[in-house]
Amino acid sequence: TQLLEQSPQFLSIQEGENLTVYCNSSSVFSSLQWYRQEPGEGPVLLVTVVTGGEVKKLKRLTFQFGDARKDSSLHITAAQPGDTGLYLCAGTGIYRGTSYGKLTFGQGTILTVHP
Amino acid sequence: DTEVTQTPKHLVMGMTNKKSLKCEQHMGHRAMYWYKQKAKKPPELMFVYSYEKLSINESVPSRFSPECPNSSLLNLHLHALQPEDSALYLCASSQGMRGRGTQYFGPGTRLLVL
Repeated sequence: TQLLEQSPQFLSIQEGENLTVYCNSSSVFSSLQWYRQEPGEGPVLLVTVVTGGEVKKLKRLTFQFGDARKDSSLHITAAQPGDTGLYLCAGTGIYRGTSYGKLTFGQGTILTVHP
Repeated sequence: DTEVTQTPKHLVMGMTNKKSLKCEQHMGHRAMYWYKQKAKKPPELMFVYSYEKLSINESVPSRFSPECPNSSLLNLHLHALQPEDSALYLCASSQGMRGRGTQYFGPGTRLLVL
């Protein structure tokens, strides 16, 4: 069974601070997605990373995929109250692995950014 | 366009009712998914359809019955649910079940079972 350990589970910071969320696993993933979710709504895709060592930027958000495709991080620069939400990492199982066709989710990070 | 739509947005049902949740996508995706999500927890996979055939059933109780009428539509039929089935039900789709198929989620149906 593939597992994704996401940390921290809770993050409460002031507007303007920087933060990093981590997802780690002992398993290799074909790709890894990061989603942001607001209460009562569906997860919204932020990014998909596919290549080991890949770095993607989305405005103030920077995503990294580990060289071995087992871990990833999300870094937010100068957080704003609008960044508040549940952040989920999710890995796609490798072809013909036991998790093929399934997303393995991290436990989620609840981020609160105070004005 | 990466939109997955779900209806209804909210649903309240008694334990003896029969209801259905609907999901639609027009991205040409050939894999569709049902998830159940409790508050502040990650989604839990229930079913996967690939090319309109049920590919994965994660040992879901028979009171949940999925149906894929065509490549764009996915239904979840509900019957004799329990209060613990109250949750946010999410539909998702991806190009295929191949390893790099990003899943796009709908807005969800918030279900309350009384």
